[in-house]
Amino acid sequence: EAQVTQNPRYLITVTGKKLTVTCSQNMNHEYMSWYRQDPGLGLRQIYYSMNVEVTDKGDVPEGYKVSRKEKRNFPLILESPSPNQTSLYFCASRHAGANVLTFGAGSRLTVL
Amino acid sequence: DAKTTQPPSMDCAEGRAANLPCNHSTISGNEYVYWYRQIHSQGPQYIIHGLKNNETNEMASLIITEDRKSSTLILPHATLRDTAVYYCIVREPFKAAGNKLTFGGGTRVLVKP
Repeated sequence: EAQVTQNPRYLITVTGKKLTVTCSQNMNHEYMSWYRQDPGLGLRQIYYSMNVEVTDKGDVPEGYKVSRKEKRNFPLILESPSPNQTSLYFCASRHAGANVLTFGAGSRLTVL
Repeated sequence: DAKTTQPPSMDCAEGRAANLPCNHSTISGNEYVYWYRQIHSQGPQYIIHGLKNNETNEMASLIITEDRKSSTLILPHATLRDTAVYYCIVREPFKAAGNKLTFGGGTRVLVKP
């Protein structure tokens, strides 16, 4: 089944403890991106990647890092999480010429 | 991206058609109308999109007015599993630089038995 898989789906952690949220897609999509969703603020893009080794900042990149070493994977790294990064995170992908995004199921992160 | 206006909420009876309106009076010639939905805290799901002609797929139909200033998403036979927030988005086709999708407030649809 064609899908975008995120892990973990739920995580509670403490301030400053590095964590990685993984994202993997099996559709050979060139573009991948990360969003966060917060009440009243909608969906905001964190980082995106146009292809392997090509990444760029979205609207809210502060406090996050990404890498794109392989086409299928696009992990989101929080080097030193803070409580304001408590949010629902979504990974999404698409083919280069497509106009439709496929989203993962989401990762709910709580930073205490 | 053009601004869209949707009603904040609506109810629908199970088995009946759900008609979701969207106003986009400032839409420009190369902007498409996209619909996504989000079932509670799940990942947004693409439904349908169109430029000026009406479109239909296995999930829904999209009716765009002739002047393109408004559109209606039709769920022909709503089920309880269609309860979700539905987002109407107007934008140009994704370009090479990024794939940002901006969701507005959407319409919260509650399908009732």
